[in-house]
Amino acid sequence: DSGVTQTPKHLITATGQRVTLRCSPRSGDLSVYWYQQSLDQGLQFLIQYYNGEERAKGNILERFSAQQFPDLHSELNLSSLELGDSALYFCASSPQGYSSYEQYFGPGTRLTVT
Amino acid sequence: DQQVKQNSPSLSVQEGRISILNCDYTNSMFDYFLWYKKYPAEGPTFLISISSIKDKNEDGRFTVFLNKSAKHLSLHIVPSQPGDSAVYFCAASSSYNAGNNRKLIWGLGTSLAVNP
Repeated sequence: DSGVTQTPKHLITATGQRVTLRCSPRSGDLSVYWYQQSLDQGLQFLIQYYNGEERAKGNILERFSAQQFPDLHSELNLSSLELGDSALYFCASSPQGYSSYEQYFGPGTRLTVT
Repeated sequence: DQQVKQNSPSLSVQEGRISILNCDYTNSMFDYFLWYKKYPAEGPTFLISISSIKDKNEDGRFTVFLNKSAKHLSLHIVPSQPGDSAVYFCAASSSYNAGNNRKLIWGLGTSLAVNP
């Protein structure tokens, strides 16, 4: 158990809908990262937040947005969903400290768009 | 453009033998490298890392070797056990990223099967 929690575990929704994925980082970790893993693909970095502020952006679509709240939990919002958005979405957190690179992953949310 | 490449999608080894997983990178600004293991339906788990100031880091059965001139790193697992069967991801980062940006660039993974 990494200490990172994600809800829900599974989500099935229809095209055009909007969903919110939630992540709680490990206690004390200030950074939260979101990743997408599609079938037969590696992990695609979407976005990073550090202590409530956006720090880095990857291949995140404009239909997707994220935020990190004062209690450090984070939400990833996916809107106008398309079939191709079906994937595993992982959240990770990392320890404080300028030299910390290790990220600790949650179990993921499996999103199925029908 | 894949900056971190794991050219072998799969590898099969016998229990007790050595497993060698390879990773190549193209960005010379990368100075920190990590290996993660992933079981199906679970998130990746951090395994071992290495800074570019070293050429080897060892943790129990796992050793990572870094060859900066060749932009190549490898993960050695000795001896391999059936429980090591998983997908292994190589990831890289750069300390030149501003602020607390710790973005990792990931390879596509190598699926390791350790046969009893």
